[in-house]
Amino acid sequence: DTGVSQDPRHKITKRGQNVTFRCDPISEHNRLYWYRQTLGQGPEFLTYFQNEAQLEKSRLLSDRFSAERPKGSFSTLEIQRTEQGDSAMYLCASSFFDSSGQYFGPGTRLTVT
Amino acid sequence: DQQVKQNSPSLSVQEGRISILNCDYTNSMFDYFLWYKKYPAEGPTFLISISSIKDKNEDGRFTVFLNKSAKHLSLHIVPSQPGDSAVYFCAASEDSNYQLIWGAGTKLIIKP
Repeated sequence: DTGVSQDPRHKITKRGQNVTFRCDPISEHNRLYWYRQTLGQGPEFLTYFQNEAQLEKSRLLSDRFSAERPKGSFSTLEIQRTEQGDSAMYLCASSFFDSSGQYFGPGTRLTVT
Repeated sequence: DQQVKQNSPSLSVQEGRISILNCDYTNSMFDYFLWYKKYPAEGPTFLISISSIKDKNEDGRFTVFLNKSAKHLSLHIVPSQPGDSAVYFCAASEDSNYQLIWGAGTKLIIKP
C-alpha cells in the first residue's frame, strides 16, 4: 500500500507532556499538509509544506506547535506542553504541486488527560 | 465565521434512490471545490471536484453541481448503495492557495 501513513494511530498523554506525530506522504507528492479535526467538525488547516519548505501556517498553530519536513519526505508535528484542548484527530495529507486533490492518511487521535 | 457550510448534519436515503448533499459557501474567491467521504477511524477519501469555470462534473454515480451565483454546490449520488453510508465533507480553496476550507460534514445513511 503506497498511501499516506501516520504514526501513531492513537496517543494518550498527560497534560503538560510533549508529543510528536509522524506522517509519511505518497512518495511522488511535493506537498504535505497537516489538519486538525474535532468531533462534529470538518478538518481545520494547520500548515503545509512544499518539499522541505513550510509555506503557510494557520493562526491555529500556536507557538507550542511545530512542524518539520527535513528532507522533503516525511514530516513530524510536535506539540509541546499539551493541553486538554489539544485533544483531536490530527490528519496528514499530500498532493502533487499542481493539484488540489489531497490524499489523506488515517490520522492520529490524540487524547490529553 | 464559517466560510463553508453544510447545514444538514445527517441525511437518510433509501437504497437505490438519489442522495443529494448540499453545501453553501460565502467566500467569492473560492474557485475549486471538492467532496470527500469519510468512514469512521479512517482519513477522508477524495471523491470528486469541480472548478469554478464549470457548473457540472460527473464521475460514475457521483455528480457535483456548482451554482456560483448562489454560492451553492451539491453532490448527487445515483443510485445510492449501502457502502455510500459515511460522512461527506465539502471543501473549497482559492486559486493561489491550496489550503482547503471544510464544512462540518453530513452523515449519509443508506437504508436497505
